[in-house]
Amino acid sequence: DTAVSQTPKYLVTQMGNDKSIKCEQNLGHDTMYWYKQDSKKFLKIMFSYNNKELIINETVPNRFSPKSPDKAHLNLHINSLELGDSAVYFCASTNVWNTEAFFGQGTRLTVV
Amino acid sequence: KQEVTQIPAALSVPEGENLVLNCSFTDSAIYNLQWFRQDPGKGLTSLLLIQSSQREQTSGRLNASLDKSSGRSTLYIAASQPGDSATYLCAVGGRGGATNKLIFGTGTLLAVQP
Repeated sequence: DTAVSQTPKYLVTQMGNDKSIKCEQNLGHDTMYWYKQDSKKFLKIMFSYNNKELIINETVPNRFSPKSPDKAHLNLHINSLELGDSAVYFCASTNVWNTEAFFGQGTRLTVV
Repeated sequence: KQEVTQIPAALSVPEGENLVLNCSFTDSAIYNLQWFRQDPGKGLTSLLLIQSSQREQTSGRLNASLDKSSGRSTLYIAASQPGDSATYLCAVGGRGGATNKLIFGTGTLLAVQP
């Protein structure tokens, strides 16, 4: 059983398009996150949600809109994609007290 | 602002060697520290989690230590194997609210030569 799963694994799209990445966790965790890994492999937090409520928004452009329909799901919608959005996006989850974090396999987004 | 640094950035060792990866952080007010492994094109696999009240954690050939006051953690890998080749990341975590996130280091790329 995959603890944190995200789809799709690869996404290639043209500039200006809108795309979504989905994430689901079956760990019963309260908190879910989106992290971005840039071309230099540096990982940085984008958003966190606790029980469907937005907690952290780390100065991400408003073209990025996370949505959490329930505490087991956190999706990421990106409008008007730009070349600079190309990266690997990771979903993660923890319990509310931020103990061990579990990560999905990542979505490699390539904007052409 | 918390900053996490890992040294060395890359390391190549022959199989069988014991090795140490270093992680330092600027703000000692952390809740925990987690070590991850990332294989090329893959996700992050959690290796060890150390709570701020703990000094070390062990799992198999891996041992991680934490010295919060000096802002340092080390990951010790005993009897390295080619299968240990990967990027190793450390991350510090806060507790609750806006600090409930991981701040990652820059990673150490490890190559274990057969």
